[in-house]
Amino acid sequence: AQKITQTQPGMFVQEKEAVTLDCTYDTSDPSYGLFWYKQPSSGEMIFLIYQGSYDQQNATEGRYSLNFQKARKSANLVISASQLGDSAMYFCAMRVPGTYKYIFGTGTRLKVLA
Amino acid sequence: GAVVSQHPSRVICKSGTSVKIECRSLDFQATTMFWYRQFPKKSLMLMATSNEGSKATYEQGVEKDKFLINHASLTLSTLTVTSAHPEDSSFYICSARVQGAELFFGSGTQLSVL
Repeated sequence: AQKITQTQPGMFVQEKEAVTLDCTYDTSDPSYGLFWYKQPSSGEMIFLIYQGSYDQQNATEGRYSLNFQKARKSANLVISASQLGDSAMYFCAMRVPGTYKYIFGTGTRLKVLA
Repeated sequence: GAVVSQHPSRVICKSGTSVKIECRSLDFQATTMFWYRQFPKKSLMLMATSNEGSKATYEQGVEKDKFLINHASLTLSTLTVTSAHPEDSSFYICSARVQGAELFFGSGTQLSVL
């Protein structure tokens, strides 16, 4: 069975600093997709970044990058130059292989300090 | 990115009444939509997969008769919480798959049953 683990319930980072949010996953399928979503206090889920298991390079989207270490089964999100607006819950998710279902980790609440 | 509209954003109802939540894909056709439930400070739990023109597929433990899902068109899926009780109070969020891998989410509905 697939599983997503986020071990950091909460994180603090100083404005303009970089922060890494941890995510490990478990699957026996060689083909899978990993995602990060941001959920502000308003509730909507905002797609941030995607990494496919066969992608040769780590995904990047603006200030977001994904540190994908396949052998360790980790897909950590790196946010560079943190901004106050980055304060939110962040969820790591995996698409269940062979389906369009997603499973989510328990999330990390990030607080950016001025 | 693709826009998924969810309505209402917040609803308060009396115990025993039914509540309908709408999820619309505004600028694309969504043959598949997903309904998630999120408890406070918890992760998203997939409730069911909504397929246009056919019956929804429910996850284990989700009551089909309690949570009625209808996906009558390529742009609209509805979730009806029937005979709502206080334990049904939760944040419900829909999502739709766009061409490609990622899901786009609605803004969610906070249901409070008195």
